[in-house]
Amino acid sequence: AQSVTQLDSQVPVFEEAPVELRCNYSSSVSVYLFWYVQYPNQGLQLLLKYLSGSTLVKGINGFEAEFNKSQTSFHLRKPSVHISDTAEYFCAVSENSGGSNYKLTFGKGTLLTVNP
Amino acid sequence: GAGVSQSPSNKVTEKGKDVELRCDPISGHTALYWYRQRLGQGLEFLIYFQGNSAPDKSGLPSDRFSAERTGGSVSTLTIQRTQQEDSAVYLCASSLVAGGSITQYFGPGTRLTVL
Repeated sequence: AQSVTQLDSQVPVFEEAPVELRCNYSSSVSVYLFWYVQYPNQGLQLLLKYLSGSTLVKGINGFEAEFNKSQTSFHLRKPSVHISDTAEYFCAVSENSGGSNYKLTFGKGTLLTVNP
Repeated sequence: GAGVSQSPSNKVTEKGKDVELRCDPISGHTALYWYRQRLGQGLEFLIYFQGNSAPDKSGLPSDRFSAERTGGSVSTLTIQRTQQEDSAVYLCASSLVAGGSITQYFGPGTRLTVL
């Protein structure tokens, strides 16, 4: 079974500073990787995903993530954050097991707080 | 187009009562998932439906939980004899699957409070 660890439960940063949210996973098979964002009192929105190909993936709102197979990591980065990026961020994995069930295993989330 | 919708948005119930939560997936999406988000926790997978195939119920926490999907579209999650530990946000997601599109689109959730 796969698992996801988000190493930081809370990350406070100042506006316009860079940020990295860390995510590590474990799985016995190849995986697909996702980052979702949840704004206060809203549902989850997909930020970006890695399915195959280039290990550097770009998403919405200026976020990007890099898949590192050897370190089983998928860290999320943004070079300059805005107040509006304040939200909870979830890393998730789905096993590529050849079927059609892509159920997600989520990390516990990282609360990003951007301060003025 | 319309996204995934869920109803009710909030549900307060008394311990021991049964509740039904509804999910309307995106039109044409064949896969449907239910997840649970308890306070301070990540999302936990509950159940998966795909077309006419047998559902994957491996995430249901007890036999008090059940779900069905009628006509390959709307889904209902039922919790019988609710307990306080059932309090959570229940999220539904759908995906197209065909053509290699596996991205799950989430609804806004139903916040369940068991008193």
